[in-house]
Amino acid sequence: DAGVIQSPRHEVTEMGQEVTLRCKPISGHNSLFWYRQTMMRGLELLIYFNNNVPIDDSGMPEDRFSAKMPNASFSTLKIQPSEPRDSAVYFCASSHGLAGTLRTVSYEQYFGPGTRLTVT
Amino acid sequence: TQLLEQSPQFLSIQEGENLTVYCNSSSVFSSLQWYRQEPGEGPVLLVTVVTGGEVKKLKRLTFQFGDARKDSSLHITAAQPGDTGLYLCAGDPVNTGTASKLTFGTGTRLQVTL
Repeated sequence: DAGVIQSPRHEVTEMGQEVTLRCKPISGHNSLFWYRQTMMRGLELLIYFNNNVPIDDSGMPEDRFSAKMPNASFSTLKIQPSEPRDSAVYFCASSHGLAGTLRTVSYEQYFGPGTRLTVT
Repeated sequence: TQLLEQSPQFLSIQEGENLTVYCNSSSVFSSLQWYRQEPGEGPVLLVTVVTGGEVKKLKRLTFQFGDARKDSSLHITAAQPGDTGLYLCAGDPVNTGTASKLTFGTGTRLQVTL
C-alpha cells in the first residue's frame, strides 16, 4: 500500500505568491493532520480533520493560511500571500479515528515525506 | 498548552555506547508515543505506552512511561549508526475528544558515529 503522498516535495517561491501544498492520505484513514516543522519551533500541529471536517484549526498561524479537505482522499494547505517566515517543512499525516467516541489510546499517525517550502 | 520538553536536545555518541533520552511534562497524558525521524522523511512511530509505569522493549530500545503518566524515557543500548535521527515524544492529552490530537516534544537529535 502507498503511504501518505505529498506534493510538491520542494517549493521555492517569492514573497507574496500563493502556495498550495497537497496531500493524499492513506486509504481508509479518516483523520488527517497538517504539521509545520522548523528548527526553532519543532513540529507544530496546524489543523486536523476528522471525516473530512475540520476539527481544530487553532494552530493555523493567521488568516493567510487555509486548509480544505473536499473528500476523503485529498487535502490542501494554502498560504496566500506567502512570507519568508513561512519557510519550513510541512507534513501531512493520517490515522484511523473513531468519530464520536471517546478513545483511550492515540492511533498511530502515518506521516508523508513532507514539503520543504522556501519563501524568498 | 501542554508542553513536552525533551532532553538532551543534541547527543553525539560513538557506536556501542548507551544513552537515555527524556521527555517531561507537567501535564498528564492518557498515552505517549515515541517517533524517530530520519533526514528528509517524516516521523515514524516506534512505540506507544499507555499505562503508568509501563516498560516496552523494541530490540535495543527500552521505553518507559512514568508512574504519573507525565514523563517518559527512551534508553538505547549499544547504539549503532542506524539509530541516528531525531527522536520525538508525543503525548495524547487526557479527554481531548474524538481524534488523536498529539502534542509533540521538542525533539532530541542523536548522532551515532563509528
